[in-house]
Order: sequence, then structure tokens, then C-alpha cells
Amino acid sequence: SQQGEEDPQALSIQEGENATMNCSYKTSINNLQWYRQNSGRGLVHLILIRSNEREKHSGRLRVTLDTSKKSSSLLITASRAADTASYFCATARMDSSYKLIFGSGTRLLVRP
Amino acid sequence: DSGVTQTPKHLITATGQRVTLRCSPRSGDLSVYWYQQSLDQGLQFLIQYYNGEERAKGNILERFSAQQFPDLHSELNLSSLELGDSALYFCASSVGDSQNYEQYFGPGTRLTVT
Repeated sequence: SQQGEEDPQALSIQEGENATMNCSYKTSINNLQWYRQNSGRGLVHLILIRSNEREKHSGRLRVTLDTSKKSSSLLITASRAADTASYFCATARMDSSYKLIFGSGTRLLVRP
Repeated sequence: DSGVTQTPKHLITATGQRVTLRCSPRSGDLSVYWYQQSLDQGLQFLIQYYNGEERAKGNILERFSAQQFPDLHSELNLSSLELGDSALYFCASSVGDSQNYEQYFGPGTRLTVT
């Protein structure tokens, strides 16, 4: 079964707006990672946030982590058409040292 | 370009056949991961190798096997193929062997079983 579940499954916004995607998970984690996938292509790593961190920034991306609620959010500010992609969270569970468990993803469409 | 290469890009084969997918990790990366992505199952972790040794196993079928060679490239062998094996197969690499490293994904191999 999948560890991370993204919400919403799909999101459509206008260029320039902010996009927020959420990820919930079930078991304790070492870290949580966000990846982007353009249609049919390989995933691209965006941000890794460790379990002792609460917020991380990278350019127009902001990731938060709330371990008490077992949830994370990815905020993309001032979105662009080029941000159109699927976004996946991946959790590194404490009971599994090696593998990442990917969620089902959020499909983001940014309309020009 | 992630630096991870996969061949072939596309593969069309018949049920019952056997195929081999190949992956070359980024220079300096010792870990190789294999994933299967299909519409109904999402992105599923199959197996991980680190410096030639198997490190973790996921939802890999017994009909599937993998190995990592001394030059660190890896091959995923899929045998007795079924229609349901049609999917995108991704290879990823990372410098370390644990989940605390970001993974770099290759462009994938699209397998179609007819």
C-alpha cells in the first residue's frame, strides 16, 4: 500500500496564482521528498525535508512538514505554464532504511 | 538531463517473452533503484542495489529479476511477460544507499506487451 497520499488529485489554476498540494502519510518518517514529473518523463527531485525540519524553501517552492499531523504541503508561488506537471511526495519510513514510498501524485495544470 | 541513462526507450513485445532493460547511473552514484509506473498501480518501487549488492526489495514479481554489475550499471530482466506488465519502467540512482539521499531518475523505458 502507498504511504503518501496527495490531495487534491488534480488542480487547475491560472498562471500567476499560487498552487498548494498536500501529502498525508501514515507511519513515522525520516524524511519526505517532493518530486515533479512532466508527462511520461522521469521524475525530478524538488526538495527533501527531514523529520526535524518544519519548513524549507527552494526558489518559488515552499515545503512544510507537520509530523504531529503526519502531513506535508508543497506551495508553488507565482505559478507558470511550465509548472504544469504531476507532483509526488515520497516518504522515507523509519521502519525501512532504504526505500522511498511514492504517493499517487497531484496533477497540476497551469493555464496561460 | 539527470545523468541517468536507460535503454531502450521503447520496447514492444509479445506475451510470454523475456526482455532486459538497462540502466547506467550518474557518475559517482553507487545505488540503483528500479520502479514500475502504470496507470492503475502508480509508481511502485521494485528493487534497489548498492555497489553490486541487493539492498531492498519492493513489489517485485518472481518473474522479474535484476542485478548490478561491477561497473555499476544495472539490468532488469522481465520474463514470461503478461499484458499487465505493460508500463513505464524507471531507473534512478543516488550517491548513498539509504533513503536519505535524493534520487535521480532516468527517462524511462516504455514497455508494451501485446
